Amino acid sequence: AQTVTQSQPEMSVQEAETVTLSCTYDTSESDYYLFWYKQPPSRQMILVIRQEAYKQQNATENRFSVNFQKAAKSFSLKISDSQLGDAAMYFCAYRSAIQGAQKLVFGQGTRLTINP
Amino acid sequence: DTGVSQDPRHKITKRGQNVTFRCDPISEHNRLYWYRQTLGQGPEFLTYFQNEAQLEKSRLLSDRFSAERPKGSFSTLEIQRTEQGDSAMYLCASSLDGSWNTEAFFGQGTRLTVV
Repeated sequence: AQTVTQSQPEMSVQEAETVTLSCTYDTSESDYYLFWYKQPPSRQMILVIRQEAYKQQNATENRFSVNFQKAAKSFSLKISDSQLGDAAMYFCAYRSAIQGAQKLVFGQGTRLTINP
Repeated sequence: DTGVSQDPRHKITKRGQNVTFRCDPISEHNRLYWYRQTLGQGPEFLTYFQNEAQLEKSRLLSDRFSAERPKGSFSTLEIQRTEQGDSAMYLCASSLDGSWNTEAFFGQGTRLTVV
């Protein structure tokens, strides 16, 4: 079974600075998808960024980018120019590429605090 | 359409009672998922529907749990004989059948407290 580990329960960063959230995963599969989700307090989870495992190029979405290291099974999220609205729980998630596989496997989450 | 809707938002129940939660997905979405999230943890997969068919169930879904999606639209999750360990946030998500990167949209969840 696949597992996802986020080793940083909490992180904090000064507004406008850059922060990196770590994620490692374990799988025997060669093809899969990775995601970062954001869960603001009392609000629904939203997708931040996604990555296909067969693509070497790291995904980027505006201020959010990932560092995908397939051999190391590492998938970190970098947030540049941090804003107060970035404060939330961040979850790393894995999904198999096997036909019909739909479930997301989540890590434990990292609580990100933005200091003004 | 305002997104995935879950009802109720909060539920407090006594141990041993039955509870039922409802999820209304985004209208054109044919896939619907239930997850459970305990405090300080990430969501854990419970079950998944494609239209009205329940295609996958987690080992977490004990015999006391049942989920339905009778007409391929809204879904219900029932927990019978609730236990304190059932206290958690129950999240529903929906997505449109398609390529791998079809986004799953989550509801705000139903927070269950069993006393």
